[in-house]
Amino acid sequence: EPEVTQTPSHQVTQMGQEVILRCVPISNHLYFYWYRQILGQKVEFLVSFYNNEISEKSEIFDDQFSVERPDGSNFTLKIRSTKLEDSAMYFCASTWGQINSPLHFGNGTRLTVT
Amino acid sequence: GQQVMQIPQYQHVQEGEDFTTYCNSSTTLSNIQWYKQRPGGHPVFLIQLVKSGEVKKQKRLTFQFGEAKKNSSLHITATQTTDVGTYFCAGRSGSARQLTFGSGTQLTVLP
Repeated sequence: EPEVTQTPSHQVTQMGQEVILRCVPISNHLYFYWYRQILGQKVEFLVSFYNNEISEKSEIFDDQFSVERPDGSNFTLKIRSTKLEDSAMYFCASTWGQINSPLHFGNGTRLTVT
Repeated sequence: GQQVMQIPQYQHVQEGEDFTTYCNSSTTLSNIQWYKQRPGGHPVFLIQLVKSGEVKKQKRLTFQFGEAKKNSSLHITATQTTDVGTYFCAGRSGSARQLTFGSGTQLTVLP
């Protein structure tokens, strides 16, 4: 069964540094998402992306965050200047299209900001 | 903004006992989905409910969507150790594509 892949599985960075989290969505999917989960807490929506542009974003997704689909397969989340509170598990997800489609999540990248 | 709450936050049961988690939204939902997250894993889709009052079953799991489409429940009959994990409801309002996840219920099944 096709799956969403994310790299790296764990990223440690110092406060103020830039990080890029990478995702390869399922190949025939059209909508891409980033969610984050602070340890032991709920899954929070960050941003959705369709047709090479952001379609929805949450209050969490401020100017420090950006997303990009640099080629036909990768989908990236960049955090420009990381803060301690950015430490979380970041999940990429994709759906094939219809609004009711279930989300297919990757295994996540655990970001630790020190 | 839309808020989705779940109760209880934690539930410990003996293997063989039943388990129920309840989900309540501050707004009317167009649909609700349920996900299971095993410890250390990622959320995995279980089911989607769309219609008011809808009930769906998957083996020992029964999912319900309230008449007002603001609440939902997941009931597991005769829990097994493989049921361990956190169960999240997630809902959409109106035409929004984003899913708002509930706070989750962490289920522990004692052998």
